Amino acid sequence: DTGVSQDPRHKITKRGQNVTFRCDPISEHNRLYWYRQTLGQGPEFLTYFQNEAQLEKSRLLSDRFSAERPKGSFSTLEIQRTEQGDSAMYLCASSFTTYRDRVTEAFFGQGTRLTVV
Amino acid sequence: GNSVTQMEGPVTLSEEAFLTINCTYTATGYPSLFWYVQYPGEGLQLLLKATKADDKGSNKGFEATYRKETTSFHLEKGSVQVSDSAVYFCALSTGYSTLTFGKGTMLLVSP
Repeated sequence: DTGVSQDPRHKITKRGQNVTFRCDPISEHNRLYWYRQTLGQGPEFLTYFQNEAQLEKSRLLSDRFSAERPKGSFSTLEIQRTEQGDSAMYLCASSFTTYRDRVTEAFFGQGTRLTVV
Repeated sequence: GNSVTQMEGPVTLSEEAFLTINCTYTATGYPSLFWYVQYPGEGLQLLLKATKADDKGSNKGFEATYRKETTSFHLEKGSVQVSDSAVYFCALSTGYSTLTFGKGTMLLVSP
């Protein structure tokens, strides 16, 4: 197992452009999470999927953000009309979680660092 | 709402020194508590966890005890190594929900 992989690792874009990030979770994991981490802060939750269903979205996820997990495997996070405030590390994590589990370990990818200039 | 407060870093220690990184939390319900570590250039890794009051999580010489009465989950290690230099994040989860992280504490260990 290669763990959670994210692509690209780094992205520089001009303000107003659209960007899309990809996350490939650990293959047997049913949950996939997106977090955002800005400099000097801890990761902040954005959204998560149970298989292909998007079950929760944070207030941080403005209308310019959209996430998909079409076949319950990989996921994409798109940011439209990027702003300088979107500059951050975008982290993906996955876990295998059932409704009987109280605690499960989330495995994180190395993240995609977005810089909006 | 849920929140986690960690001591600010960086924490600078000499090799073999004793480490404490303080973490306190506010949560609704009965959270599970975690310490994650992020080594330079790598993703977050779970270091240890505790799911109920008085539980002690331990891994790689690190320990933390879930203290409900003080709402704390302080990370300790008796003798740090240069290879422990990293950023440490305290986090909590309630029910089946997602993780709430603290801001992180950078640890720098010199030989």
